[in-house]
Amino acid sequence: SQTIHQWPATLVQPVGSPLSLECTVEGTSNPNLYWYRQAAGRGLQLLFYSVGIGQISSEVPQNLSASRPQDRQFILSSKKLLLSDSGFYLCAWSISTYQPQHFGDGTRLSIL
Amino acid sequence: EDQVTQSPEALRLQEGESSSLNCSYTVSGLRGLFWYRQDPGKGPEFLFTLYSAGEEKEKERLKATLTKKESFLHITAPKPEDSATYLCAVQASQGAQKLVFGQGTRLTINP
Repeated sequence: SQTIHQWPATLVQPVGSPLSLECTVEGTSNPNLYWYRQAAGRGLQLLFYSVGIGQISSEVPQNLSASRPQDRQFILSSKKLLLSDSGFYLCAWSISTYQPQHFGDGTRLSIL
Repeated sequence: EDQVTQSPEALRLQEGESSSLNCSYTVSGLRGLFWYRQDPGKGPEFLFTLYSAGEEKEKERLKATLTKKESFLHITAPKPEDSATYLCAVQASQGAQKLVFGQGTRLTINP
């Protein structure tokens, strides 16, 4: 069966510091991969998605970037974090575009 | 712009007290409507996909239905372990990579 792993589970970072969150999927090949952010009191917002290695699409202009160096690895990065980057970051995968997306357990990011 | 509105924001029920959660949507060409369950501090867990008006899906005490404007998640004789936030999301025919989520309904089942 397929599993998705995100780490770390919790992260506290100072303003201006860099960020790297990692997500890996096991048990499937060439999945679609997604990064979402869930802010308090707001719905999930799609940040990036990828349909293949090196292919990244951005949904929202922001201080973040994403990369997919391997088939089942998706990385969310920032060079300099802002206070507004705080939130709950979720990685998801799907077999294809029109199939359900399955989520990891997220990273709670707090910026001080 | 595609939009999803869920109601109520929060709902408290007694164990065994059945009810329904609502998900109203506007989307330019519905490709699919998804229901998820989210426990505190966890990622959403997939429950159902509905593709066309009139479709129904069931899983244990949950049943999801779909019309052209809204979806309902019916909870029959709920138990305390059904307490969670339930999220609804739509996928449009255009821009289908993006799920548009509602803000969720926080459901609490008291024993």
